[in-house]
Amino acid sequence: DGGITQSPKYLFRKEGQNVTLSCEQNLNHDAMYWYRQDPGQGLRLIYYSQIVNDFQKGDIAEGYSVSREKKESFPLTVTSAQKNPTAFYLCASSTTSYEQFFGPGTRLTVL
Amino acid sequence: GEDVEQSLFLSVREGDSSVINCTYTDSSSTYLYWYKQEPGAGLQLLTYIFSNMDMKQDQRLTVLLNKKDKHLSLRIADTQTGDSAIYFCAESEGNAGNMLTFGGGTRLMVKP
Repeated sequence: DGGITQSPKYLFRKEGQNVTLSCEQNLNHDAMYWYRQDPGQGLRLIYYSQIVNDFQKGDIAEGYSVSREKKESFPLTVTSAQKNPTAFYLCASSTTSYEQFFGPGTRLTVL
Repeated sequence: GEDVEQSLFLSVREGDSSVINCTYTDSSSTYLYWYKQEPGAGLQLLTYIFSNMDMKQDQRLTVLLNKKDKHLSLRIADTQTGDSAIYFCAESEGNAGNMLTFGGGTRLMVKP
């Protein structure tokens, strides 16, 4: 089945550690996105990529990094520089049809 | 920058209609969307409307767009307990690719 997968579903991190969240899609979409969702709030854009080997910062990129070496994959690294990383992270992908398809999300908790 | 606003909470009784409202500030919005998020899950696109349309109906869902007032609404007819979720309004500009700006979400609670 075509879709977007994110792993792991739950992730725990100690302070000072970097962690990488996986996002894979087999929809043949060119564009991929990472959002952060805090309780009771909407989605805020962290990074996006419209084509392989290219990506741009979103509204809250500080403390995060991404790579886009393959069309199917857009991993997000939460670095130790991100001061408040506990949140729900959502990955999405799209074509030029303006509809974004979302993965199931990863809940990151800093211990 | 763009801003999208929604009320935080709506409670209705099963069988009633629900109306979720959204206002936006970007006059160049081309597409407006409604997404549904169930607990602990990703977002599911319910429907979207082009800015040159006033209304779109899809089964129990009716979207109304007042472009002059920059007001979007989602009406759910015959609301069911399975409709309980958070509903997000979002907008994008056609000439900016697929970049979406989301509202804060409206939590819909359906009482039996």
